[in-house]
Amino acid sequence: GNSVTQMEGPVTLSEEAFLTINCTYTATGYPSLFWYVQYPGEGLQLLLKATKADDKGSNKGFEATYRKETTSFHLEKGSVQVSDSAVYFCALSSTGANSKLTFGKGITLSVRP
Amino acid sequence: NAGVTQTPKFQVLKTGQSMTLQCAQDMNHNSMYWYRQDPGMGLRLIYYSASEGTTDKGEVPNGYNVSRLNKREFSLRLESAAPSQTSVYFCASIKLQGALGFTQYFGPGTRLTVL
Repeated sequence: GNSVTQMEGPVTLSEEAFLTINCTYTATGYPSLFWYVQYPGEGLQLLLKATKADDKGSNKGFEATYRKETTSFHLEKGSVQVSDSAVYFCALSSTGANSKLTFGKGITLSVRP
Repeated sequence: NAGVTQTPKFQVLKTGQSMTLQCAQDMNHNSMYWYRQDPGMGLRLIYYSASEGTTDKGEVPNGYNVSRLNKREFSLRLESAAPSQTSVYFCASIKLQGALGFTQYFGPGTRLTVL
C-alpha cells in the first residue's frame, strides 16, 4: 500500500536559517506529491505540489523536487522566517485512487527570532 | 466564497452520546472527505464521497457514519461516542485540475473531546 515517511521532529531553527524537511514515499504507479502546511489553530493549506518525476513545486520561497529514483520529495527553504512556524505534512495521491491522499505524520517547525 | 466550512468548532461529549459534525463547501466540488488528526499520526481518512449519492470507507471508518446530503454538504455522525474518538476532525473537498491533478481544500476543523 501507499505510505509516506517524514523525518522525526520537532525542528527548531533561527530566523534566516536554511530548512530541509525530508520526505520519502512508497506507492504503486506514478503518484502526485504534495506538501501541506498547518498554522496554529487552522486547517491544512496546500503549500506546493508536483505531479510527475523531476517536477519542482514552489511557493512562498519553499521548493520541493519530485525524485522518482530516490522516491523522495524533500521540502527546502533558503531563509526561514518566524511566520513559517507551523506543522508541515508530506502527502501523496496515487493514480486511480479517487484523489485520496495518504499523509505523513507531520513535523512541527518552530523558528525563533 | 466561504470555501469549506465546518460546525461546530469545538465539542465536548460524554461517552455514549451521539452527535453530527456538519461540513459544507460552496465551490461546486464533486468529491468530499472526512479526516481525523491525532498527535503523531498525521491525517487519516475516515470516509469519502466521490460524488453526490455515493460514500465509501477510508482507512478508519469504524464508529462513524456519513451522509452526503447534496452536492454541498457532507456530514459525519458518531452514534455512540468513545474516548478513542477524541480528535480534531477535518472536512475537505477536491478541485480537479485535469493534467495538473487536483487540489484539496480543507475546512478549519472541529476539535472533539469525549470524556
